[in-house]
Amino acid sequence: GEQVEQLPSSLIVQEGASVLINCSYTDSASVYFPWYKQEPGKRLQFIIDIRSNMERKQTQRLTLLFDKKTKHLSLHITATQPGDSAIYFCSARITGNTGKLIFGLGTTLQVQP
Amino acid sequence: NSKVIQTPRYLVKGQGQKAKMRCIPEKGHPVVFWYQQNKNNEFKFLINFQNQEVLQQIDMTEKRFSAECPSNSPCSLEIQSSEAGDSALYLCASSLFRHDTQYFGPGTRLLVL
Repeated sequence: GEQVEQLPSSLIVQEGASVLINCSYTDSASVYFPWYKQEPGKRLQFIIDIRSNMERKQTQRLTLLFDKKTKHLSLHITATQPGDSAIYFCSARITGNTGKLIFGLGTTLQVQP
Repeated sequence: NSKVIQTPRYLVKGQGQKAKMRCIPEKGHPVVFWYQQNKNNEFKFLINFQNQEVLQQIDMTEKRFSAECPSNSPCSLEIQSSEAGDSALYLCASSLFRHDTQYFGPGTRLLVL
C-alpha cells in the first residue's frame, strides 16, 4: 500500500531562518497531499495542500512544491517564528478511495528565539 | 466555523474493559473519519462514514471495534475489549466531501493499564 516518508525527522533553527521539509510517497495513484501541523496538546491543524495537477502552492510564509515524476513534495517555511514550533505531517490520498489519508511520521520543528 | 468536538479528552481503562469515545463533526460535514495515532506518530486509518453509512473500515475495526454515526447524535467509536496496544490518541476528522480537506478534533487519549 501507499507509504509516505518525511525527512528530516527533526529540525532546530533560529527564529527568522527558513526551513525545508521533504516528503516522498510510493503510490503513483496518489492525487491529493494535505499537510498538517500539530502543536503539543493541540489538534492537528490543516496548513496547506496540493493536488497532483499542480506544481506549486503558496500561502503566506508557506510554499509547497510537488514533483509528480519523482513522487516528491517539499514544504518551505520562511521567516520562522517560535509559534511555528510543532510537528509537521505530510499526508497522501489515493485516487478513487473513500478519502482516507496516509500520513508520514512527521518532522519536529523547533524554532529558538 | 464550528470545530470538531471529541469527548472525553482522556480515558483510562483496564485490559478487557470497553472504551467508548465520541465525536461531533463540524456543522454540515457528513463525512467522518477515525484515525489512531500512536506514540511513534504512526497514524492508522480505522473507519469512515458518510452520514450513517460505513464507507470503509480495516479488519481490526471490524473485529474489535463498534462504531456508528447516528443521525442527530454524536458519532462514537468503542473498543469492545481494550488491550495494552490500544493505548493511543484517537482522532476524529470531518469533511464536506469524501475527497475534501479533513478537519481534526483534539483527540481522545486512551491509556489501557
